[in-house]
Amino acid sequence: RKEVEQDPGPFNVPEGATVAFNCTYSNSASQSFFWYRQDCRKEPKLLMSVYSSGNEDGRFTAQLNRASQYISLLIRDSKLSDSATYLCVVNTNAGKSTFGDGTTLTVKP
Amino acid sequence: DGGITQSPKYLFRKEGQNVTLSCEQNLNHDAMYWYRQDPGQGLRLIYYSQIVNDFQKGDIAEGYSVSREKKESFPLTVTSAQKNPTAFYLCASSTRGRLGGRETQYFGPGTRLLVL
Repeated sequence: RKEVEQDPGPFNVPEGATVAFNCTYSNSASQSFFWYRQDCRKEPKLLMSVYSSGNEDGRFTAQLNRASQYISLLIRDSKLSDSATYLCVVNTNAGKSTFGDGTTLTVKP
Repeated sequence: DGGITQSPKYLFRKEGQNVTLSCEQNLNHDAMYWYRQDPGQGLRLIYYSQIVNDFQKGDIAEGYSVSREKKESFPLTVTSAQKNPTAFYLCASSTRGRLGGRETQYFGPGTRLLVL
């Protein structure tokens, strides 16, 4: 079993839709959590950190459930420009950063 | 502009050849990392360095070597011992060596390595 698992998708949604991605992690010592966005053939870029109380940045909402060891990303009012691969990243207090394989989103007109 | 640069953008390797990928950062970050990404997969850690003149193996270090003689530079050599080197190689840096806190990684644009 992988340390960080994501549904690979692809998720194909129309513009304006709401879409949610989940990510599960196996290491209970995990300390911090992030969502990165990666466009085709480009480097990953930080989308948002995930805080214990949940956090929102515009149309994006991230949530953490430590008891069930998963994090989620909700995108509301999807735009064409949201089409990308979304990577879940989990850091442990041992200084290790583990990436999920990513979930691919395609937003269609 | 502060950032991370990687060169070249594309690199071709012949059988039995060693090649070196460059990574430079002017963000004054202590820690630097090398990852490999294969199609449809996430990033896998090759090597990382938390401070100058020190580095540690990641999950897939076999067939690779690194050096960290300067804070700004962390070159990766893909040796002939790496039998399947075709991949997208990403260099990253972060403010502190231990990623248990809120430190995030900033990535360079990557180098695509292809075997001839």
